[in-house]
Amino acid sequence: EAQVTQNPRYLITVTGKKLTVTCSQNMNHEYMSWYRQDPGLGLRQIYYSMNVEVTDKGDVPEGYKVSRKEKRNFPLILESPSPNQTSLYFCASRGGAREQYFGPGTRLTVT
Amino acid sequence: QQQVKQSPQSLIVQKGGISIINCAYENTAFDYFPWYQQFPGKGPALLIAIRPDVSEKKEGRFTISFNKSAKQFSLHIMDSQPGDSATYFCAASMWGAGNNRKLIWGLGTSLAVNP
Repeated sequence: EAQVTQNPRYLITVTGKKLTVTCSQNMNHEYMSWYRQDPGLGLRQIYYSMNVEVTDKGDVPEGYKVSRKEKRNFPLILESPSPNQTSLYFCASRGGAREQYFGPGTRLTVT
Repeated sequence: QQQVKQSPQSLIVQKGGISIINCAYENTAFDYFPWYQQFPGKGPALLIAIRPDVSEKKEGRFTISFNKSAKQFSLHIMDSQPGDSATYFCAASMWGAGNNRKLIWGLGTSLAVNP
């Protein structure tokens, strides 16, 4: 089954404790991206990757890092999480067509 | 700056009725307009999409109407069913910097279809 998977689905952490949210897709897509979804603000792109070792900032990259060492994986790293990064995070991938496939989401709470 | 404005924020419709969600955009560089459906606990999923050279696209009970001169597009859900209850997002897509396909989202409409 074609899908985008994210782990963990739920995470509660404390300010400053480094964390990684993993994202993996099995569709051999070149393009992957991370979004955060907040009430009243909709979905905003954090980072995207056009291919292996090619990443770039989206609209709200501050406080986040990404890496793309393999085509299928695109982890999101929060080196020093802060409460304003409490949000619902989605990973997405896209092949040649315009349609993006989204993962199930990771709900992150930073206390 | 919100480049895609979506309304209403929430909508309640009776089963069998028509649900209508409207979106307006500003940037004429947008060349693809998808609608996404999101159920609680799930990621958004593409529902239907249209290009600006087409005024209407229909897929089953879902229809997009597109008015290029007014820079508006809308989603119509005919014969709305309780299973359609979800959040709907309109979006507009264009080429951005670095060959990035940029997707600008509306803020979403929470649709509830009463049985």
